[in-house]
Order: sequence, then C-alpha cells, then structure tokens
Amino acid sequence: DTEVTQTPKHLVMGMTNKKSLKCEQHMGHRAMYWYKQKAKKPPELMFVYSYEKLSINESVPSRFSPECPNSSLLNLHLHALQPEDSALYLCASSLGLGLRYEQYFGPGTRLTVT
Amino acid sequence: GQQLNQSPQSMFIQEGEDVSMNCTSSSIFNTWLWYKQDPGEGPVLLIALYKAGELTSNGRLTAQFGITRKDSFLNISASIPSDVGIYFCAGQATWMAETSGSRLTFGEGTQLTVNP
Repeated sequence: DTEVTQTPKHLVMGMTNKKSLKCEQHMGHRAMYWYKQKAKKPPELMFVYSYEKLSINESVPSRFSPECPNSSLLNLHLHALQPEDSALYLCASSLGLGLRYEQYFGPGTRLTVT
Repeated sequence: GQQLNQSPQSMFIQEGEDVSMNCTSSSIFNTWLWYKQDPGEGPVLLIALYKAGELTSNGRLTAQFGITRKDSFLNISASIPSDVGIYFCAGQATWMAETSGSRLTFGEGTQLTVNP
C-alpha cells in the first residue's frame, strides 16, 4: 500500500480566513513533505518533516504554518493568504530521508483564495 | 542550483505509437524518478532508478539511468488513451545539508496527448 490521503479535496477561502489542510499516511514512513504546485509546473518544495521534527522550511511565508502531530499525520495551517497562494497543495511521504527513499504523493488539495 | 532539462515539452501522438522523453542535467544525480500526473491529481511514481546504466521496466514503460549519471529517458510502448497526462522526471543528489539526499529536483514536465 502506497497511499497518502489528503483532505479536503477542494478548499475555497477568503483572505481573512483560517483553514487547515490535512495529510495522512499509514505506510510507516518517517519523512513527510508539503509541496505547492501551480498549473502546468512541477511541484515546489515547502516543508520537510523527519521523525515529526521540521527539517526544512524553504523560506515559506509565515502565513503557512506546518504541524506534524505524529508520524502518520501532517497538517498545514493557513491564515491570511493571498490570491497568488491559490494552487494545488501536495503532501508526500517517504520511508526516510536519503537517496534511496522514493517520495509518494497524495492526490492534493486544490486551494482557491478569493 | 541543479536544473533538469526535460524534453519534449509536449507530444501529440496516435494510439499505438511509441513515446520517448528524456531529462538531462549539467550535474550528476544519484537517483532518477519518473512520475505521471493526471489533471487535478498528485504525481504517481512510475519508475525509480538507482544505478548508472540501470534499465528498468514497468509494464509498457521502460526507463534508463544514463551512464554519465546526468540523464535519464522514459519510453512508453504501444500508447493507449489512458497514458495521457504530464510526465515529470525528478532527480536526487547528495545534498550538502543535514538532511542530504531528500530534495527532489523536477523537470518541467512533458505533456502527453494520445489521439484514439
């Protein structure tokens, strides 16, 4: 089983709203990732968690706040977003960090900021 | 930084035709991955390559890790309509940071259209 699940599938929010994206995997993976993807472009890395600790923050604005409550769950808290933040947000996981650990992606959350 | 040049950018083919796409880089990569992405969905891992010269198949898909470690190609044989989508190559390289090796460098993607 190589399934990563994400909820919600679609989200529309205003610039003053607070919302959260959720990601879950039950493959025993210890590394989890958030990516942002614009139309017809490759995914862009935002955050990496390893063993529930934040390993990488790719200089993402503070209006995006990640959280890893346990090894199976990854959240992305959103606050005061801008219309240019509208994109497909992808979660991924891998068994560990390193060259031979493939990343498996979830189906994504399509976010629209109005 | 490391960049991957993926070509072609798009392809329009007839059902039954074979397809070839490739990624090249000026830098060495240690792992090559090929993903397919359908509209509105996340990328799905097709093939992973770990060793220079390695040739790996997955059904009608065949991918190779270039001997110089700076390129990879993906072939699809006897294409069918469900092969439509965007194909991304991605590379991993030893990364001079405390979490070395996890960063994926993506190509810009190849949009494949298959006409029945």
